[in-house]
Amino acid sequence: NAGVTQTPKFRVLKTGQSMTLLCAQDMNHEYMYWYRQDPGMGLRLIHYSVGEGTTAKGEVPDGYNVSRLKKQNFLLGLESAAPSQTSVYFCASSYPRLGNEQFFGPGTRLTVL
Amino acid sequence: GQQLNQSPQSMFIQEGEDVSMNCTSSSIFNTWLWYKQDPGEGPVLLIALYKAGELTSNGRLTAQFGITRKDSFLNISASIPSDVGIYFCAGPTGNQFYFGTGTSLTVIP
Repeated sequence: NAGVTQTPKFRVLKTGQSMTLLCAQDMNHEYMYWYRQDPGMGLRLIHYSVGEGTTAKGEVPDGYNVSRLKKQNFLLGLESAAPSQTSVYFCASSYPRLGNEQFFGPGTRLTVL
Repeated sequence: GQQLNQSPQSMFIQEGEDVSMNCTSSSIFNTWLWYKQDPGEGPVLLIALYKAGELTSNGRLTAQFGITRKDSFLNISASIPSDVGIYFCAGPTGNQFYFGTGTSLTVIP
């Protein structure tokens, strides 16, 4: 099993450009999450999904959109990237309960110039 | 939003020493999770706590769920070089999931 994978690993964008981060999990988990990690601030939840076709806002959703068209995939989109979105992005998945163990991907390092 | 405060922010210890860190919140949590993150990787779960007062061990790691449900503690005994990393507490409240600010651990051989 690959667990949770993220694509791409690194990306540099110019302000105003758009991109999509892909997260895939092969553990048949119902819940999936997108976090951003900034120095000194830990991980903050951007959006999450409790099942195929559902999405919900987390703590810092502004400037991001998500889609969960297939149970195993969770996409994070930036429509118009801003320097404040420079961060490391982590995807995670878990069985159905927010308090359950979350399995994390290796992260995507995004720089917005 | 919710903030989980961890202390200390960083620790530098000698190999073989014991380590203690804690996490506090202004709100009640029904679950506390402790994760470790190695450089360049995603966090990995160490211990999960689901009941106030619960004390759970995982090898040299022991974690406790505070009686008030507003805090949790993690202890590492007889530290070794591979304990180096950032330790995060985490937990759900309502429909949100929060991580602490992290404790960075450096073990000096």
